[in-house]
Amino acid sequence: DAGVIQSPRHEVTEMGQEVTLRCKPISGHNSLFWYRQTMMRGLELLIYFNNNVPIDDSGMPEDRFSAKMPNASFSTLKIQPSEPRDSAVYFCASSLAGTQGARAFFGQGTRLTVV
Amino acid sequence: GIQVEQSPPDLILQEGANSTLRCNFSDSVNNLQWFHQNPWGQLINLFYIPSGTKQNGRLSATTVATERYSLLYISSSQTTDSGVYFCAVDNYGQNFVFGPGTRLSVLP
Repeated sequence: DAGVIQSPRHEVTEMGQEVTLRCKPISGHNSLFWYRQTMMRGLELLIYFNNNVPIDDSGMPEDRFSAKMPNASFSTLKIQPSEPRDSAVYFCASSLAGTQGARAFFGQGTRLTVV
Repeated sequence: GIQVEQSPPDLILQEGANSTLRCNFSDSVNNLQWFHQNPWGQLINLFYIPSGTKQNGRLSATTVATERYSLLYISSSQTTDSGVYFCAVDNYGQNFVFGPGTRLSVLP
């Protein structure tokens, strides 16, 4: 398996623009997580899905952020409109929840810069 | 929510030295994992260890769930071990909470 795949790897956008980050989890995994990493706040969980259903989105900063998982092999995180303070590295991770070895595997991340 | 602390925050070692990293958590957990973030930013899963002891080469980890801590041991450290080590826990909600990390620098 190729692991968790995220795209794009880097994104530079202007304030006010819409940004869409994409994630393909490991085949067969049933849980998917979106994290944001900044120097100030470390790794923060934004939202996680189980069997394509959002379970906990309490970490989503505000209404400008939304996430979807239309099927087991694809998820998006959208920011609209983007702001400079959204600049961070966004990670997607997946795992096989409910099993004894529910290890989480991370994608390479998307480095977002909002200018 | 559950709180996760890691110590020390920073650690500098000479190549070949051994080290112990600690993770304390504030509540019972059913899932604890250790990750290494390399200097290129990639997060690598090292161990799934909610309890007991595991070893993988020069790395080993022990979790004492009843006392709410986990230890990561690195023996004969190499420069490629440099990076940030994170502990992440889940207390039955499947929403991993990460600690602040320990930044390790191994000098040649």
